[in-house]
Amino acid sequence: AQSVAQPEDQVNVAEGNPLTVKCTYSVSGNPYLFWYVQYPNRGLQFLLKYITGDNLVKGSYGFEAEFNKSQTSFHLKKPSALVSDSALYFCAVSSQTGANNLFFGTGTRLTVIP
Amino acid sequence: GAGVSQSPSNKVTEKGKDVELRCDPISGHTALYWYRQSLGQGLEFLIYFQGNSAPDKSGLPSDRFSAERTGGSVSTLTIQRTQQEDSAVYLCASSLGQGTGNTIYFGEGSWLTVV
Repeated sequence: AQSVAQPEDQVNVAEGNPLTVKCTYSVSGNPYLFWYVQYPNRGLQFLLKYITGDNLVKGSYGFEAEFNKSQTSFHLKKPSALVSDSALYFCAVSSQTGANNLFFGTGTRLTVIP
Repeated sequence: GAGVSQSPSNKVTEKGKDVELRCDPISGHTALYWYRQSLGQGLEFLIYFQGNSAPDKSGLPSDRFSAERTGGSVSTLTIQRTQQEDSAVYLCASSLGQGTGNTIYFGEGSWLTVV
């Protein structure tokens, strides 16, 4: 069965500092991994995904994520945080051989402090 | 359309009433999903449609919940005899085909409040 863990409910970081939002997953077979962002009172916006190939994936708004198969992780990173990055971030996983739906983590609220 | 469209954006209903939530997916997307997001919670999968295949209803929480997709496009999620615990944001999403690597795009959600 697929599952996603986002161990931190809340991450605070100073503006201009690097940020990391953690995600680990469990899936049968090889995973497809996704990051979404949700701004207040809005739907989810796609940031980036890992399908295959290069373990470092670059996405929207300067975000990137690194797939680490041995650690079953897919942490989201950005070199320099902006106040406008403050939002709720969701990691999601689906199996390359399993069901077609995405399984989401419980989300991490990122607050960038000016 | 340019994106996934959901209506109504907000709905307040009395306990015991039925509600219908509508989703219009991105044009050309054959896969359609419904998720529920309760306050402070993650996303809970409800139901998945792919083309003309039988839908995956494994996430529907009770028989008060049902969904249909007419003509392979627009979908309606119906909640009968609403309860206060049904209050949540109902998110619809769509994607191309049935490959699990396809990006799923979400609508803005329908905010349901049961009073």
